[in-house]
Amino acid sequence: NAGVTQTPKFQVLKTGQSMTLQCAQDMNHEYMSWYRQDPGMGLRLIHYSVGAGITDQGEVPNGYNVSRSTTEDFPLRLLSAAPSQTSVYFCATRQGWDGYTFGSGTRLTVV
Amino acid sequence: LAKTTQPISMDSYEGQEVNITCSHNNIATNDYITWYQQFPSQGPRFIIQGYKTKVTNEVASLFIPADRKSSTLSLPRVSLSDTAVYYCLVGLNRDDKIIFGKGTRLHILP
Repeated sequence: NAGVTQTPKFQVLKTGQSMTLQCAQDMNHEYMSWYRQDPGMGLRLIHYSVGAGITDQGEVPNGYNVSRSTTEDFPLRLLSAAPSQTSVYFCATRQGWDGYTFGSGTRLTVV
Repeated sequence: LAKTTQPISMDSYEGQEVNITCSHNNIATNDYITWYQQFPSQGPRFIIQGYKTKVTNEVASLFIPADRKSSTLSLPRVSLSDTAVYYCLVGLNRDDKIIFGKGTRLHILP
């Protein structure tokens, strides 16, 4: 039982490049979400999904796309990376009344 | 959305009891209150959850007054390893945006 798996753990991108951050869970949780965390800041919600086929925007969705074709996977796509997207990205899941389970994070640097 | 307000930072000393209060004036009838702890370079982890009065587990206690417009996380006899950011969340039971906010940065001094 792996919980929430995020890949990669580290990534360096050049400005303008695109990439996909992967998030996979094996807990059959309906709710999945992506957060970003900048130094000294709290967690800011990017996008979330309440089930397969359903996604919605969070606080800071611009520059990011998501899709939810299966319960298990919730990839986050950066369309054209910018230095302002340098951050640590966390994927989290939850089911009903249960609390969040977080992945270990992806540290992204855009140069 | 149930908005929460908590202090940005707090300092305390080893062995002391630490209380962090969170305000949530527009909490809904069915909302639970949940606290998370985050260490550097890690994702937040669940500490405690409650609905009313008092909840206690091996890590902390959570005090909720009758009007439920605030809650207090109590950490007994803190140690250096309790230095972390603590988040108060309301309404995890909803299928809605859950905003973590900046949390409270707790710094334990020797």
